[in-house]
Amino acid sequence: GENVEQHPSTLSVQEGDSAVIKCTYSDSASNYFPWYKQELGKGPQLIIDIRSNVGEKKDQRIAVTLNKTAKHFSLHITETQPEDSAVYFCAASKGSSNTGKLIFGQGTTLQVKP
Amino acid sequence: GAVVSQHPSWVICKSGTSVKIECRSLDFQATTMFWYRQFPKQSLMLMATSNEGSKATYEQGVEKDKFLINHASLTLSTLTVTSAHPEDSSFYICSAMGTPQAADTQYFGPGTRLTVL
Repeated sequence: GENVEQHPSTLSVQEGDSAVIKCTYSDSASNYFPWYKQELGKGPQLIIDIRSNVGEKKDQRIAVTLNKTAKHFSLHITETQPEDSAVYFCAASKGSSNTGKLIFGQGTTLQVKP
Repeated sequence: GAVVSQHPSWVICKSGTSVKIECRSLDFQATTMFWYRQFPKQSLMLMATSNEGSKATYEQGVEKDKFLINHASLTLSTLTVTSAHPEDSSFYICSAMGTPQAADTQYFGPGTRLTVL
């Protein structure tokens, strides 16, 4: 079945540095790729998403890139701040015209040191 | 926009009792709602998918008689954990999908921490 691999599992950066989290997916029919941020004891919060007809999307300090040929997508956070510290999950879906189910990666714990 | 609430945020119950968790989409009508459980330091595990007015579709290995899901309206889904046992203790999270602006996007609730004594 569909599988999403996420790396690294933990990432520690200095405040102001950039952080990159990478995911690969197995099902070439996947066409929707959201990223979620989860703080301790809370539900995941959507931070950015990308669809398969786009190669890159940016929202202020956050960007996502998608390489459909290689079946991988990445989250880039620039100028990291301590409040960026959280667990980040990537996910892949075949869209709401299918079941809309999300297949999640294993998560990356990001620590931003002040 | 796209706010999803859950109630209660936490619950403690005795072994053998049943617990109901509510999930509501506050500002949109959700065509589909999903229920997940999450163990500490792990990813989200999908339990079931529910569409309004239809029976839920459960993932492999999830007991449908133990985890009862009702999706009676476009804004409300409930998960009932029946005859709860300590191994059912977990963080249960719902999500809702179906905003006019982003039909593919799942918006998550804040989660419910269930502790079974």
